[in-house]
Amino acid sequence: NAGVTQTPKFRVLKTGQSMTLLCAQDMNHEYMYWYRQDPGMGLRLIHYSVGEGTTAKGEVPDGYNVSRLKKQNFLLGLESAAPSQTSVYFCASSWKTEGQPQHFGDGTRLSIL
Amino acid sequence: GQNIDQPTEMTATEGAIVQINCTYQTSGFNGLFWYQQHAGEAPTFLSYNVLDGLEEKGRFSSFLSRSKGYSYLLLKELQMKDSASYLCAVMDSNYQLIWGAGTKLIIKP
Repeated sequence: NAGVTQTPKFRVLKTGQSMTLLCAQDMNHEYMYWYRQDPGMGLRLIHYSVGEGTTAKGEVPDGYNVSRLKKQNFLLGLESAAPSQTSVYFCASSWKTEGQPQHFGDGTRLSIL
Repeated sequence: GQNIDQPTEMTATEGAIVQINCTYQTSGFNGLFWYQQHAGEAPTFLSYNVLDGLEEKGRFSSFLSRSKGYSYLLLKELQMKDSASYLCAVMDSNYQLIWGAGTKLIIKP
C-alpha cells in the first residue's frame, strides 16, 4: 500500500520556467491538499480539493494552479517559477475533514534559481 | 488573525519525559492534531483531540483545554528515535488546518 506518492522528489528550475508536481493516492480519499513548508514557518495551504473535478484556494494560492481530473491524482502547477517559490512541497489526502488525519507524501524539494 | 505558538526547540535526555506545549488562537475550533516529522521526511499523524482532557497512546499522550486555547504532547521513556520535530495543528471553523512552526526535539544519551 503506497499511500500518497509525490513526483518528482527533487527539482531545480530557472526563474520563469514552468513545471507540474504530481500527487497520487491509493486510499480512495475524497480530500487532497497541497502545502508548502518553509524554514521557521508552519505548513501553509496552497490549494485543496474536496472531490474529483473540484479545487479551491488556500492561504497562499498566488503563482500556482491545480487540477483534480481523477479522484486519485492532484496536480500542482507553477506557471512562471520565482525564487520565492523555493520550498518543500507536500501533498496530503484525507477521507474527510472533521476528525480525520491527513496523510502526507514524502515531499518535493524545489529550488528556483 | 490565526496563530499557533510552540517552542522552537527543546532538549531532553534518553529515558526521560518531555512535555511540548502548544497555544492557539483561531477562528473556530474543530479539533487539534499532533504530527511527528523527522528531518527530510513527511509529517506523520500522532494524535487528535477535540474534547477537553487527556488522550493516551502508548508512550505518547496529548492534552487539550479548549477554554485556555492550550494543548500539550507528553512523550515518556524517550528514545533516540524520538528526535524529530513535533507539529501542532488546529482545524478552524472552515475545517482547514492551521499549523504551528513545529518544535524540534533533541534527545541526548
